[in-house]
Amino acid sequence: GAVVSQHPSRVICKSGTSVKIECRSLDFQATTMFWYRQFPKQSLMLMATSNEGSKATYEQGVEKDKFLINHASLTLSTLTVTSAHPEDSSFYICSASAGTRYNEQFFGPGTRLTVL
Amino acid sequence: AQTVTQSQPEMSVQEAETVTLSCTYDTSESDYYLFWYKQPPSRQMILVIRQEAYKQQNATENRFSVNFQKAAKSFSLKISDSQLGDAAMYFCAYRINDMRFGAGTRLTVKP
Repeated sequence: GAVVSQHPSRVICKSGTSVKIECRSLDFQATTMFWYRQFPKQSLMLMATSNEGSKATYEQGVEKDKFLINHASLTLSTLTVTSAHPEDSSFYICSASAGTRYNEQFFGPGTRLTVL
Repeated sequence: AQTVTQSQPEMSVQEAETVTLSCTYDTSESDYYLFWYKQPPSRQMILVIRQEAYKQQNATENRFSVNFQKAAKSFSLKISDSQLGDAAMYFCAYRINDMRFGAGTRLTVKP
């Protein structure tokens, strides 16, 4: 199957700083990338959907100014958590799809963010 | 809005036995995909099986099979000959433009 990587796998930062997480599709062109957030023992919650070259579409309740998403190429999307606070500590998972509707989404290994 | 419901927070099965995980969903669409994902402690999402809604035949992948009842909007996962490595969180998911997940079922396999 297709491979999606995320970097870093773990990050610890101080409150008030910004953190960037990269998501790359290694062997296919991802027209659409998705960012999910997963709290401990909970499900994956979709934060936003991004299409290459377009602005991301955010789910209701997700602050677009806090969670900046850039999908500048068909193989790379980035999520920047700006002015991070302890409540932003979570597991962030990206997913990539080569098509539009119905196509399989391939998941990255996730990034664990801890904000002190 | 599309929703996915997994009513079993936890399930347990004896090694080599069979277990069925339940999933229901709500949608007004006629074409969509359904998935079961496994999330082990590493937290990497692993695709177990998928079903196209337009296909009446239930999908199977080795020891994993589904019982897809479109009219009832039900999509259960059956794991046969359970193995210790099957222990994980299992998420049911629905996709049209993006993928939405159920709350998950934690499966324990007893030796």
